[in-house]
Amino acid sequence: AQKVTQTQTSISVMEKTTVTMDCVYETQDSSYFLFWYKQTASGEIVFLIRQDSYKKENATVGHYSLNFQKPKSSIGLIITATQIEDSAVYFCAMRAMSNYNVLYFGSGTKLTVEP
Amino acid sequence: DMKVTQMPRYLIKRMGENVLLECGQDMSHETMYWYRQDPGLGLQLIYISYDVDSNSEGDIPKGYRVSRKKREHFSLILDSAKTNQTSVYFCASSRTDFNSDYTFGSGTRLLVI
Repeated sequence: AQKVTQTQTSISVMEKTTVTMDCVYETQDSSYFLFWYKQTASGEIVFLIRQDSYKKENATVGHYSLNFQKPKSSIGLIITATQIEDSAVYFCAMRAMSNYNVLYFGSGTKLTVEP
Repeated sequence: DMKVTQMPRYLIKRMGENVLLECGQDMSHETMYWYRQDPGLGLQLIYISYDVDSNSEGDIPKGYRVSRKKREHFSLILDSAKTNQTSVYFCASSRTDFNSDYTFGSGTRLLVI
Protein backbone atom coordinates (compact mmCIF):
# COMPACT_ATOMS: atom_id res chain seq x y z
CA ALA A 1 0.00 0.00 0.00
CA GLN A 2 1.04 3.53 -0.70
CA LYS A 3 1.02 6.30 1.88
CA VAL A 4 2.11 9.93 1.84
CA THR A 5 2.59 11.93 5.03
CA GLN A 6 3.00 15.66 5.50
CA THR A 7 3.48 16.44 9.17
CA GLN A 8 3.70 20.21 8.88
CA THR A 9 0.17 21.54 9.04
CA SER A 10 1.17 25.16 8.49
CA ILE A 11 4.29 27.26 8.00
CA SER A 12 4.73 31.01 8.07
CA VAL A 13 7.74 32.75 6.52
CA MET A 14 8.79 36.25 5.59
CA GLU A 15 8.81 37.29 1.98
CA LYS A 16 12.02 36.69 0.02
CA THR A 17 13.21 33.91 2.32
CA THR A 18 13.59 30.20 1.58
CA VAL A 19 11.17 27.62 2.90
CA THR A 20 11.24 23.82 2.93
CA MET A 21 8.14 21.67 3.23
CA ASP A 22 8.54 18.07 4.30
CA CYS A 23 6.99 14.94 2.89
CA VAL A 24 7.65 11.27 3.56
CA TYR A 25 6.19 8.39 1.62
CA GLU A 26 5.76 4.66 1.93
CA THR A 27 5.81 2.19 -0.91
CA GLN A 28 7.06 -1.31 -1.65
CA ASP A 29 7.57 -0.40 -5.28
CA SER A 30 11.03 0.20 -6.67
CA SER A 31 9.69 2.54 -9.32
CA TYR A 32 7.53 5.53 -8.51
CA PHE A 33 7.00 9.21 -9.16
CA LEU A 34 6.64 11.98 -6.61
CA PHE A 35 4.70 15.16 -7.26
CA TRP A 36 4.03 18.46 -5.59
CA TYR A 37 0.84 20.41 -6.18
CA LYS A 38 -0.23 23.88 -5.08
CA GLN A 39 -3.76 24.78 -4.08
CA THR A 40 -4.45 28.50 -4.18
CA ALA A 41 -6.93 30.41 -2.05
CA SER A 42 -9.46 30.17 -4.88
CA GLY A 43 -9.25 26.38 -4.66
CA GLU A 44 -7.39 25.78 -7.89
CA ILE A 45 -4.96 22.85 -7.74
CA VAL A 46 -1.98 23.06 -10.05
CA PHE A 47 0.96 20.77 -10.67
CA LEU A 48 4.33 22.21 -9.69
CA ILE A 49 7.14 19.71 -9.98
CA ARG A 50 7.91 15.99 -10.26
CA GLN A 51 10.71 13.70 -9.13
CA ASP A 52 11.35 10.33 -10.77
CA SER A 53 12.48 7.69 -8.29
CA TYR A 54 15.26 6.44 -10.54
CA LYS A 55 16.85 9.87 -10.93
CA LYS A 56 19.47 10.94 -8.44
CA GLU A 57 19.38 14.58 -9.48
CA ASN A 58 16.91 16.77 -7.66
CA ALA A 59 14.26 18.28 -9.91
CA THR A 60 14.10 22.05 -10.28
CA VAL A 61 11.47 24.25 -11.91
CA GLY A 62 11.74 28.00 -11.56
CA HIS A 63 12.03 28.85 -7.87
CA TYR A 64 10.83 25.39 -6.86
CA SER A 65 13.26 22.57 -6.21
CA LEU A 66 13.14 19.21 -4.53
CA ASN A 67 15.30 17.55 -1.90
CA PHE A 68 14.96 13.86 -2.73
CA GLN A 69 16.40 11.58 -0.07
CA LYS A 70 15.54 8.11 -1.25
CA PRO A 71 17.00 6.17 1.71
CA LYS A 72 14.77 8.21 4.00
CA SER A 73 11.74 8.01 1.67
CA SER A 74 11.64 11.76 1.82
CA ILE A 75 10.84 14.39 -0.79
CA GLY A 76 11.03 17.96 0.45
CA LEU A 77 9.82 20.96 -1.55
CA ILE A 78 12.07 24.01 -1.41
CA ILE A 79 10.83 27.42 -2.45
CA THR A 80 13.49 30.07 -2.75
CA ALA A 81 12.90 33.84 -2.72
CA THR A 82 9.32 33.38 -1.59
CA GLN A 83 6.67 35.80 -2.75
CA ILE A 84 3.31 36.73 -1.28
CA GLU A 85 1.60 34.82 -4.06
CA ASP A 86 3.32 31.62 -2.93
CA SER A 87 0.88 31.58 -0.02
CA ALA A 88 -1.16 28.43 -0.60
CA VAL A 89 -1.61 24.84 0.49
CA TYR A 90 1.00 22.47 -0.90
CA PHE A 91 0.30 18.80 -1.44
CA CYS A 92 2.82 16.04 -1.88
CA ALA A 93 1.68 13.03 -3.92
CA MET A 94 3.02 9.70 -5.13
CA ARG A 95 2.30 7.43 -8.04
CA ALA A 96 3.73 3.91 -7.80
CA MET A 97 4.07 1.27 -10.48
CA SER A 98 1.92 -1.33 -8.70
CA ASN A 99 -1.07 1.01 -8.82
CA TYR A 100 0.05 3.48 -11.43
CA ASN A 101 -3.36 4.90 -12.22
CA VAL A 102 -3.74 6.40 -8.77
CA LEU A 103 -2.06 9.40 -7.21
CA TYR A 104 -1.91 9.24 -3.42
CA PHE A 105 -1.92 12.61 -1.66
CA GLY A 106 -0.63 13.86 1.64
CA SER A 107 -2.85 16.03 3.83
CA GLY A 108 -1.16 19.26 2.76
CA THR A 109 0.89 22.06 4.30
CA LYS A 110 -0.46 25.59 4.42
CA LEU A 111 2.21 28.15 3.62
CA THR A 112 1.77 31.79 4.54
CA VAL A 113 4.26 34.27 3.16
CA GLU A 114 4.20 37.55 5.06
CA PRO A 115 5.44 40.92 3.80
CA ASP B 1 -6.81 25.48 -23.97
CA MET B 2 -6.25 22.29 -21.96
CA LYS B 3 -8.55 22.18 -19.00
CA VAL B 4 -10.94 20.27 -16.81
CA THR B 5 -14.29 21.95 -16.28
CA GLN B 6 -16.58 21.24 -13.38
CA MET B 7 -20.19 22.25 -13.02
CA PRO B 8 -21.66 23.62 -10.90
CA ARG B 9 -19.12 25.48 -8.76
CA TYR B 10 -21.46 25.75 -5.79
CA LEU B 11 -24.45 23.63 -4.88
CA ILE B 12 -26.83 23.45 -1.95
CA LYS B 13 -29.03 20.39 -1.60
CA ARG B 14 -31.37 19.04 1.02
CA MET B 15 -30.72 15.70 2.67
CA GLY B 16 -32.27 12.95 0.61
CA GLU B 17 -32.10 14.79 -2.70
CA ASN B 18 -30.15 13.43 -5.64
CA VAL B 19 -27.02 15.25 -6.70
CA LEU B 20 -25.29 15.29 -10.07
CA LEU B 21 -21.79 16.71 -10.40
CA GLU B 22 -20.42 17.00 -13.88
CA CYS B 23 -16.91 17.12 -15.22
CA GLY B 24 -15.51 17.58 -18.69
CA GLN B 25 -12.03 17.62 -20.17
CA ASP B 26 -10.74 18.61 -23.57
CA MET B 27 -7.42 16.75 -23.59
CA SER B 28 -8.68 13.28 -24.60
CA HIS B 29 -7.24 11.89 -21.38
CA GLU B 30 -8.18 8.27 -20.86
CA THR B 31 -8.25 8.37 -17.10
CA MET B 32 -10.49 10.53 -14.96
CA TYR B 33 -10.98 10.78 -11.23
CA TRP B 34 -13.30 12.08 -8.57
CA TYR B 35 -11.84 13.20 -5.25
CA ARG B 36 -13.33 14.86 -2.25
CA GLN B 37 -11.46 17.27 -0.04
CA ASP B 38 -12.23 17.77 3.62
CA PRO B 39 -10.25 19.89 6.11
CA GLY B 40 -7.21 18.05 7.42
CA LEU B 41 -7.81 14.99 5.25
CA GLY B 42 -6.32 16.05 1.98
CA LEU B 43 -7.75 14.54 -1.18
CA GLN B 44 -9.56 11.23 -0.96
CA LEU B 45 -10.21 9.17 -4.06
CA ILE B 46 -13.87 8.29 -4.65
CA TYR B 47 -13.84 6.75 -8.11
CA ILE B 48 -11.51 6.29 -11.02
CA SER B 49 -12.48 5.83 -14.64
CA TYR B 50 -10.05 4.21 -17.06
CA ASP B 51 -12.17 5.01 -20.10
CA VAL B 52 -15.79 4.89 -21.27
CA ASP B 53 -17.82 2.49 -19.09
CA SER B 54 -14.68 1.30 -17.29
CA ASN B 55 -14.91 2.55 -13.73
CA SER B 56 -13.42 1.39 -10.48
CA GLU B 57 -14.00 2.22 -6.84
CA GLY B 58 -11.49 4.33 -5.03
CA ASP B 59 -10.92 4.52 -1.31
CA ILE B 60 -14.28 5.99 -0.30
CA PRO B 61 -16.92 4.95 -2.87
CA LYS B 62 -19.81 4.36 -0.46
CA GLY B 63 -22.74 6.64 -1.20
CA TYR B 64 -21.50 7.55 -4.67
CA ARG B 65 -21.74 6.26 -8.18
CA VAL B 66 -20.29 7.44 -11.44
CA SER B 67 -21.04 7.48 -15.12
CA ARG B 68 -18.75 7.84 -18.08
CA LYS B 69 -20.44 7.49 -21.46
CA LYS B 70 -18.01 9.68 -23.37
CA ARG B 71 -14.28 9.94 -22.87
CA GLU B 72 -14.45 13.66 -22.23
CA HIS B 73 -17.21 13.54 -19.65
CA PHE B 74 -17.33 11.99 -16.17
CA SER B 75 -20.24 12.39 -13.75
CA LEU B 76 -20.48 11.83 -10.02
CA ILE B 77 -23.90 10.97 -8.65
CA LEU B 78 -25.06 11.05 -5.06
CA ASP B 79 -28.31 9.18 -4.65
CA SER B 80 -30.11 10.55 -1.61
CA ALA B 81 -27.47 12.94 -0.36
CA LYS B 82 -26.40 12.89 3.26
CA THR B 83 -25.09 15.72 5.41
CA ASN B 84 -21.71 14.00 5.75
CA GLN B 85 -21.29 14.32 2.00
CA THR B 86 -20.89 18.05 2.41
CA SER B 87 -17.45 18.62 0.93
CA VAL B 88 -15.49 20.03 -1.96
CA TYR B 89 -15.39 17.67 -4.90
CA PHE B 90 -12.60 17.70 -7.43
CA CYS B 91 -12.49 16.06 -10.80
CA ALA B 92 -9.15 15.36 -12.44
CA SER B 93 -7.84 13.74 -15.57
CA SER B 94 -4.54 12.32 -16.74
CA ARG B 95 -2.89 10.37 -19.50
CA THR B 96 -2.12 6.74 -18.77
CA ASP B 97 1.62 7.40 -18.84
CA PHE B 98 3.18 6.39 -15.56
CA ASN B 99 4.83 9.76 -15.08
CA SER B 100 1.80 11.87 -15.95
CA ASP B 101 0.53 14.45 -13.55
CA TYR B 102 -3.14 15.24 -13.03
CA THR B 103 -5.06 18.19 -14.38
CA PHE B 104 -7.66 19.28 -11.85
CA GLY B 105 -10.95 21.04 -12.25
CA SER B 106 -11.82 24.04 -10.12
CA GLY B 107 -13.91 22.01 -7.72
CA THR B 108 -17.56 21.91 -6.72
CA ARG B 109 -18.44 23.02 -3.22
CA LEU B 110 -21.44 20.96 -2.10
CA LEU B 111 -23.47 21.74 0.99
CA VAL B 112 -26.06 19.19 2.08
CA ILE B 113 -28.51 20.56 4.64
